Amino acid sequence: AQSVTQPDIHITVSEGASLELRCNYSYGATPYLFWYVQSPGQGLQLLLKYFSGDTLVQGIKGFEAEFKRSQSSFNLRKPSVHWSDAAEYFCAVVPTGTASKLTFGTGTRLQVTL
Amino acid sequence: EPEVTQTPSHQVTQMGQEVILRCVPISNHLYFYWYRQILGQKVEFLVSFYNNEISEKSEIFDDQFSVERPDGSNFTLKIRSTKLEDSAMYFCASRPPRGSQETQYFGPGTRLLVL
Repeated sequence: AQSVTQPDIHITVSEGASLELRCNYSYGATPYLFWYVQSPGQGLQLLLKYFSGDTLVQGIKGFEAEFKRSQSSFNLRKPSVHWSDAAEYFCAVVPTGTASKLTFGTGTRLQVTL
Repeated sequence: EPEVTQTPSHQVTQMGQEVILRCVPISNHLYFYWYRQILGQKVEFLVSFYNNEISEKSEIFDDQFSVERPDGSNFTLKIRSTKLEDSAMYFCASRPPRGSQETQYFGPGTRLLVL
């Protein structure tokens, strides 16, 4: 079955530290890949996406993600976390070339300590 | 920058009542979606809509749910007889035509509480 796994439910980092949030997918073919962020009580904001080409993609707010086909992963990174990055982060996928639904992972809640 | 908007932001209703959640997608988008997020859980797909008909729906989207695009701008989700377990945040999303950016843009959500 197609699935998206975010193995870390909750991560705490210190402000200024680096961050990596993990995402693995299980699909028949490489899907389109997305990271969304949800601040408390807010909607879903797109951070970045991968469709094809360069496997390192840049997003908003200083985030980047690397697609690794061999590991079926699309991990989100940030070199230096700010307190305002505290939020819930969702990895999501959609089958390539379709207008189908997004399938979301369970999310990773990021806490930032000062 | 164009945005997806949703109204109301919050709605409280009694079990068994009908609710209509409203969305205004981005104007040149052709694909529309509803998702929901029960508190503390992941975002789940409900239904997608294209060319004035449902293109895909989940098992959650039973006969109590319906969607409509009554005019050129609004996209609505109706729950005919709400249940306690319908309490959730409901997100609308829209997407440009295929062949362009394959990205769904989300509205801010409507928080529905069924008492």
